[in-house]
Amino acid sequence: DQQVKQNSPSLSVQEGRISILNCDYTNSMFDYFLWYKKYPAEGPTFLISISSIKDKNEDGRFTVFLNKSAKHLSLHIVPSQPGDSAVYFCAASASAGGTSYGKLTFGQGTILTVHP
Amino acid sequence: GAVVSQHPSWVICKSGTSVKIECRSLDFQATTMFWYRQFPKQSLMLMATSNEGSKATYEQGVEKDKFLINHASLTLSTLTVTSAHPEDSSFYICSASPPGLAGDSTDTQYFGPGTRLTVL
Repeated sequence: DQQVKQNSPSLSVQEGRISILNCDYTNSMFDYFLWYKKYPAEGPTFLISISSIKDKNEDGRFTVFLNKSAKHLSLHIVPSQPGDSAVYFCAASASAGGTSYGKLTFGQGTILTVHP
Repeated sequence: GAVVSQHPSWVICKSGTSVKIECRSLDFQATTMFWYRQFPKQSLMLMATSNEGSKATYEQGVEKDKFLINHASLTLSTLTVTSAHPEDSSFYICSASPPGLAGDSTDTQYFGPGTRLTVL
């Protein structure tokens, strides 16, 4: 039962263009979403997050969009740089009784390759 | 920023031996830490939630007697893989959440660099 899905295993983008990474979820209790970047044999690095009370959050070149009705979120990277090449994971969590529980459910990941 | 360390970064052991992995929050106290496992080309799977001063909460299908978790202090959690077998070979990653303004953990988890376990 995959509650968080990243249906594109890989994405290839030219340097300077926009990278759009997609993520779908099925659990309507999820109310906090995060994107992580991961290199092989390293732990994930936090990129950006969004609460379900918002539909957009921006941090520099990274913007996350949340469409609650569609249970869909996306990460936009613009402009894309070769150093952005990595595996990107989306993750979701559900608060319990107003106190953050913190348990994350991860998607399968999308390998992003940015060509010079 | 929040920094989480893990030790060792890699370990090779013989089948039947036990291996201990440490996870430390370096610049904050964490009442809750999480342990994940990642198999090659797969997602991170939560194994258990480590709670300071109390028993860990294990996810369905994770053997608590095989993966012993101890959270003895607010900055250290340990995962011990007991009687390791080749199928336990994996990449083990811990994470922790810094406390929020109200003293509760935030939702943003910061991950350690991971530990590559190879069981021969």
